[in-house]
Amino acid sequence: AQSVTQLGSHVSVSEGALVLLRCNYSSSVPPYLFWYVQYPNQGLQLLLKYTSAATLVKGINGFEAEFKKSETSFHLTKPSAHMSDAAEYFCAVSPVQGAQKLVFGQGTRLTINP
Amino acid sequence: EPEVTQTPSHQVTQMGQEVILRCVPISNHLYFYWYRQILGQKVEFLVSFYNNEISEKSEIFDDQFSVERPDGSNFTLKIRSTKLEDSAMYFCASNFGRTSGDNEQFFGPGTRLTVL
Repeated sequence: AQSVTQLGSHVSVSEGALVLLRCNYSSSVPPYLFWYVQYPNQGLQLLLKYTSAATLVKGINGFEAEFKKSETSFHLTKPSAHMSDAAEYFCAVSPVQGAQKLVFGQGTRLTINP
Repeated sequence: EPEVTQTPSHQVTQMGQEVILRCVPISNHLYFYWYRQILGQKVEFLVSFYNNEISEKSEIFDDQFSVERPDGSNFTLKIRSTKLEDSAMYFCASNFGRTSGDNEQFFGPGTRLTVL
């Protein structure tokens, strides 16, 4: 069965600092991987996805993630944090074939300090 | 831009009562989903629905749960006899009718269900 682990339920960075949110997956074959963001009182919005093309994926709002098969990781980064990045971030995995359900990690709450 | 909508935004009910959570998926999408998020926990898959039938369901989705597409626009989740542990945020999602797993799912804003 597929699973996702997000290290750190809460990450706090200063405005302008690097953002690094960690995600490791478990799957017998490389799956599709996603990062979603949830702003307060809103639904989940797709930031970016990996679908077996380029291993470095660029998303919205300046975020990017790198798929590393050897490390079974898909960490999310942003070079310079902005106050508007404060939100909950979820890593998710989906099988390449068949069922389309998303399996989510526990989420990481990102706080930006002024 | 088309979006998934959900009503109500917050539902309070007594234990043992039936509730129906409503969703309007994006109009040309063919796959529909329900997920839930208990406070402080991860988002969990409940059920997927395609071509007027359930395509997959999780262990959480027991006989107390049912889904329906009663008309061409709505997609509903019914909980027959609510329990305290059903209190959660329920998200509806939809996407295009492809079997490939890279198909982005679009999520609604959620319905917060509180069971007293």
